[in-house]
Amino acid sequence: DSGVTQTPKHLITATGQRVTLRCSPRSGDLSVYWYQQSLDQGLQFLIQYYNGEERAKGNILERFSAQQFPDLHSELNLSSLELGDSALYFCASSVSGKADTQYFGPGTRLTVL
Amino acid sequence: AQSVTQLGSHVSVSEGALVLLRCNYSSSVPPYLFWYVQYPNQGLQLLLKYTTGATLVKGINGFEAEFKKSETSFHLTKPSAHMSDAAEYFCAVTGSGNTGKLIFGQGTTLQVKP
Repeated sequence: DSGVTQTPKHLITATGQRVTLRCSPRSGDLSVYWYQQSLDQGLQFLIQYYNGEERAKGNILERFSAQQFPDLHSELNLSSLELGDSALYFCASSVSGKADTQYFGPGTRLTVL
Repeated sequence: AQSVTQLGSHVSVSEGALVLLRCNYSSSVPPYLFWYVQYPNQGLQLLLKYTTGATLVKGINGFEAEFKKSETSFHLTKPSAHMSDAAEYFCAVTGSGNTGKLIFGQGTTLQVKP
């Protein structure tokens, strides 16, 4: 158990819908990262927050947004869902948000039908 | 820009044999390098990391990796494979800047035959 929790574990929805994925970092970690894992794209960095502020952005679509709240939990919002958004979404957390160890949650498996 | 290439998407070894998973990186800044393992239906778990200092890094479960700057490589090894090592392995790189975002390789699936 990494100490990072993600909910829900599985999510099945239809094209065009909007979903919210939630992540709670390890106690004491200030930075949260979101990654997408799919068969065709592999593991891709989406976005990083540190203590409530966006620190880095990767290959995140405009239909996707995220935020980190004062209690440090984070949410990833995916809207106007397409079939190709089906993937495993991981959240990771770390203390400093720099090149320190990232601890990964178990992931949320999103299926878009 | 940074990138990672893992040679071989699938590696098969016999139980007790040497495990060698290859990783080459490209980085315009001094790299920090990581190996993560992913067991089926689970998240990623850190095996080991290289930041600075000693180039031979020891990790969990008997794995180790050596940072070779001249070869831009960070290959993962284990002297004797165990059935429980069967999993997917990811090499990743990040820089020393203000973000720890990881750039991952495509992953290598390790199969261990009895």
